[in-house]
Amino acid sequence: AQSVTQLDSQVPVFEEAPVELRCNYSSSVSVYLFWYVQYPNQGLQLLLKYLSGSTLVKGINGFEAEFNKSQTSFHLRKPSVHISDTAEYFCAVSGGQTGANNLFFGTGTRLTVIP
Amino acid sequence: DTAVSQTPKYLVTQMGNDKSIKCEQNLGHDTMYWYKQDSKKFLKIMFSYNNKELIINETVPNRFSPKSPDKAHLNLHINSLELGDSAVYFCASSLLLTAYEQYFGPGTRLTVT
Repeated sequence: AQSVTQLDSQVPVFEEAPVELRCNYSSSVSVYLFWYVQYPNQGLQLLLKYLSGSTLVKGINGFEAEFNKSQTSFHLRKPSVHISDTAEYFCAVSGGQTGANNLFFGTGTRLTVIP
Repeated sequence: DTAVSQTPKYLVTQMGNDKSIKCEQNLGHDTMYWYKQDSKKFLKIMFSYNNKELIINETVPNRFSPKSPDKAHLNLHINSLELGDSAVYFCASSLLLTAYEQYFGPGTRLTVT
């Protein structure tokens, strides 16, 4: 079975500082990895995805993530955060044994950018 | 020109009632989903439909019944509501059954009292 672990439930960071949100997954087969962002009282928006190819994936709003197969990780990074980045971030995995279109989500990381 | 829309946005009701949540997508996608987000923000898939056919039905009580009148709509009907049904319900869609990118609606916050 697939699962996703987001190690930090809350991450406070000062404005213009870098940030890394951690995500680890477990799966015995190839997977596809995603980061979604949820702004307050809104639905989820896709930030970026890894399906194949280059392990460094660039997404919207200046975010990027690196797929590391040996460490089964897909950490999200941004070199300089803005107040508007305050939101809940979800890592998700799809593919493998249970079907290509199943998305399994982590428990989320609340990013709070401090002025 | 909202891509995935849900109505209502908020729904407050009493235990034992029956309620429906509607979802519509104007993206021309073939596949639609319902997710439940609990009070701890954990998201879990409930159902997926492809071309009006049920594909996935996770361990969801049979009080929950999805209905897809056409490819653009996937409604969620809930019978005999319980306190534990209180959550935010998200509808989503993807281009194909095998497409990995899903587009989410704004969510419906259901509160059962």
